[in-house]
Amino acid sequence: GEDVEQSLFLSVREGDSSVINCTYTDSSSTYLYWYKQEPGAGLQLLTYIFSNMDMKQDQRLTVLLNKKDKHLSLRIADTQTGDSAIYFCAEIFSGGGADGLTFGKGTHLIIQP
Amino acid sequence: DTAVSQTPKYLVTQMGNDKSIKCEQNLGHDTMYWYKQDSKKFLKIMFSYNNKELIINETVPNRFSPKSPDKAHLNLHINSLELGDSAVYFCASRFGQGTLETQYFGPGTRLLVL
Repeated sequence: GEDVEQSLFLSVREGDSSVINCTYTDSSSTYLYWYKQEPGAGLQLLTYIFSNMDMKQDQRLTVLLNKKDKHLSLRIADTQTGDSAIYFCAEIFSGGGADGLTFGKGTHLIIQP
Repeated sequence: DTAVSQTPKYLVTQMGNDKSIKCEQNLGHDTMYWYKQDSKKFLKIMFSYNNKELIINETVPNRFSPKSPDKAHLNLHINSLELGDSAVYFCASRFGQGTLETQYFGPGTRLLVL
């Protein structure tokens, strides 16, 4: 079945870059997503990448996709205290006539002053 | 205007009760979802539904049932609540069945079963 794996915690110093890694199993995924969840809040779509792309950059965010290894990463440049959150990697799965998202367990990003 | 809304935001109830969580989307989407996030923050899909078909995650107990009175709503009914049902429940929606559209999530309903 579909599975998405992430490390549970990442600690970085303020101002450094954060790199959150994710591996997925469904090679047919056409879109891969990063969602952000701040404490006590809902899920916010951060960015996504189409499977025929290797890289996508959006301001401080860089997404890298290695489709051969089924590896996805999210790099946050100049990490700020406001980036402290849980980051979920997700891939589409298709079942029957509808589909949903399979999420990783989430990476808790901890910012050290 | 909120795109995907859920009510209530918090729900505290006794074991054995029956409760409902409502979800509404004003985006004109035709596919809606329910997800459960447990105490360890793990997210799992429970249901996906469009106006033609309900897809159920086989791990979801049959005490949970989604009901869609119309295209803009997908409510979650839970019978005989158990302690393990305590979690945050997220509703989401998207347009179409293809993979080109992203899902939009509601703010979540925090359910606590005592």
